[in-house]
Amino acid sequence: GNSVTQMEGPVTLSEEAFLTINCTYTATGYPSLFWYVQYPGEGLQLLLKATKADDKGSNKGFEATYRKETTSFHLEKGSVQVSDSAVYFCALSDGRVTGGGNKLTFGTGTQLKVEL
Amino acid sequence: DAGVTQSPTHLIKTRGQHVTLRCSPISGHKSVSWYQQVLGQGPQFIFQYYEKEERGRGNFPDRFSARQFPNYSSELNVNALLLGDSALYLCASSPSGSSYNEQFFGPGTRLTVL
Repeated sequence: GNSVTQMEGPVTLSEEAFLTINCTYTATGYPSLFWYVQYPGEGLQLLLKATKADDKGSNKGFEATYRKETTSFHLEKGSVQVSDSAVYFCALSDGRVTGGGNKLTFGTGTQLKVEL
Repeated sequence: DAGVTQSPTHLIKTRGQHVTLRCSPISGHKSVSWYQQVLGQGPQFIFQYYEKEERGRGNFPDRFSARQFPNYSSELNVNALLLGDSALYLCASSPSGSSYNEQFFGPGTRLTVL
């Protein structure tokens, strides 16, 4: 079955530091890949996505590249801010058409804490 | 534009009771999915409905059921509640069931089972 593995947190960084959160996946077919962010007490917000190999998703200074050869979708940001403190989830949506549907399979989440 | 809305925001029940959670998708979205998020973990897929038909079911017991109405809103029902059902229940909508479409999440319903 499909699965997503993320680096464990919490990750604690100083403001303006470089961020990498690793994500690898296992899937049959050609999944779409997503990063979602969850701020305290809130639901999930889509941060970025990529739907095919070598696509780069980007948003708000965050970016991730769909690497089929290494089955990875690592999240990066060049300079983090205190406001980036949240839990980040890597997810995949199975590309198979059978039965339809686009259920998401999530990783366990990585908590990011950014300090002044 | 209104996002995905869920009601109620919080709910406290006792073991053995039944609960109904409600979700309204973004206008124009025809697919609704339900997820369970236990504290400290990623969301787990429960159901997906598209055009009022079930399109996917996760590994949850038959105590969990759902339906989608003609206006595309949805209900999640859980019978015979267990302590382990305590979680944040998230509803997500998307324009269709395509894997290329991102899902837009509501704020969730926090269910506590005592």
